[in-house]
Amino acid sequence: NAGVTQTPKFQVLKTGQSMTLQCAQDMNHEYMSWYRQDPGMGLRLIHYSVGAGITDQGEVPNGYNVSRSTTEDFPLRLLSAAPSQTSVYFCASSYSWRETSTDTQYFGPGTRLTVL
Amino acid sequence: DAKTTQPNSMESNEEEPVHLPCNHSTISGTDYIHWYRQLPSQGPEYVIHGLTSNVNNRMASLAIAEDRKSSTLILHRATLRDAAVYYCILRDGNYGQNFVFGPGTRLSVLP
Repeated sequence: NAGVTQTPKFQVLKTGQSMTLQCAQDMNHEYMSWYRQDPGMGLRLIHYSVGAGITDQGEVPNGYNVSRSTTEDFPLRLLSAAPSQTSVYFCASSYSWRETSTDTQYFGPGTRLTVL
Repeated sequence: DAKTTQPNSMESNEEEPVHLPCNHSTISGTDYIHWYRQLPSQGPEYVIHGLTSNVNNRMASLAIAEDRKSSTLILHRATLRDAAVYYCILRDGNYGQNFVFGPGTRLSVLP
């Protein structure tokens, strides 16, 4: 298994540009999520999905869109990039989303985004 | 949301045990305690989790206080590869798998 993969590894955007960060997993996981990590801070949840066709907002969703058309893929779209979105973005997945689950979350290697 | 408190940083010598503390005084009865770590320039990785009893795995041990208001991650023999940021996380019952990360503890391991 490749696990959780993310592309690109690095990206530089100008203010106002849009782009899509790709995330894929080959473990048939129900749950996928996107986090951002600003320097010296912990991860903050942007959006998450509990299955194909089902998404919901996390703690910091403004400026981002997601969709989940397949179990494997969970892209994150930046609609109009702003310097405040400069961050490292991590995608994660786990087998089950249910409250009683103690499944391990698997994280991708991250995408480092700079918005000028 | 139940929150955790960890020291900002800790130091250890190589091949010595390390005890990383975490306070979670507002933990609810069904919250699991999870530990993840983040090596430099990588995504977080799972270390261990528990509910009430102490837990051991190949990476570490987790000691949970009897009142569950604190826990300690124990690395039995620190190696240079264990230098990372360690996160103590309570699984949020409202969001299932949606973890709430704090700033964690940055562990430095000295040769």
